[in-house]
Amino acid sequence: QVQLVQSGTEVKKPGASVKVSCKTSGYTFSSSDINWVRQAPGQGLEWMGWMNPYSGTSGYAQKFRGRVTMTRDTSISTAYMEMSSLRSDDTAVYFCARVAYDSGEPLFDYWGQGTRDTVSS
Amino acid sequence: SYVLTQAPSVSVAPGETARITCGGDKIGNKRVVWYQQKTGQAPLLVMSEDPDRPSGIPERFSGSNSGNMATLTISRVEAGDEADFYCQIWETTSDHPVFGGGTKLTV
Repeated sequence: QVQLVQSGTEVKKPGASVKVSCKTSGYTFSSSDINWVRQAPGQGLEWMGWMNPYSGTSGYAQKFRGRVTMTRDTSISTAYMEMSSLRSDDTAVYFCARVAYDSGEPLFDYWGQGTRDTVSS
Repeated sequence: SYVLTQAPSVSVAPGETARITCGGDKIGNKRVVWYQQKTGQAPLLVMSEDPDRPSGIPERFSGSNSGNMATLTISRVEAGDEADFYCQIWETTSDHPVFGGGTKLTV
C-alpha cells in the first residue's frame, strides 16, 4: 500500500534552517510529483510547491521562492523540503502529498502524517 | 489568484444531512476536490467529482458543483464524521492548487 512517512518534530530558532523528509513506499517514486503543504496552528492549508522525482525539477509558491528548496533521493524514494531563514510565523505542520490524476486533473491522493516545526527563540 | 470561500462552521445532529459549500467564480467549470481532516491527522481525500469517491469512502458522501457553488453533502451524519473539510481546485493558469479556508463540521 502507498505510504508517505515523514520525519519527526523539529524545534528551531529564528534564522535557522529545517529539512523535512518524506519517505515513500508502495509505488514507483519517480512516477508521481510530490507537493508540500503547510498548516499553521488553527489555520487552513497553504500550498508551498512541487517537486518532480523523475527529473528533480521543482516549483514554488511565490511566497516561498528563495527560501524553500525541494529535492529528492531516488535511491531511497525520499523527498525533502528545506526552508531557510526561519521565522516564528513559519511554525506549522508541514505535509508532503502525492499527486494523482483524476480525469486529467491533479489531486492529492496520499498524504504524509505531517511534521511539526516550531520556531522559537 | 482564484479564491475559494467556505463557511467557517456547520453544525448538524447525528442522522441529519450536512451540506458544506465552497464558493468561487464560475466554480462549476472546474473540478472540485474535497478533503476531510480530523484533529491531529493529515487531510484525507474524500471526494473528487461525484460519483468518484476514493476507495473506502462511504456512499453517504456525495458532491455537486454548478454555477458559483460546489457542495459536499454528507447524509446520515455520524459522530465520526466530525472534522474540518477543505475544498480545492487546480488553478490552470498558474498550475498550482488553491484551497478553501476550511469548514469545521460539528456533529
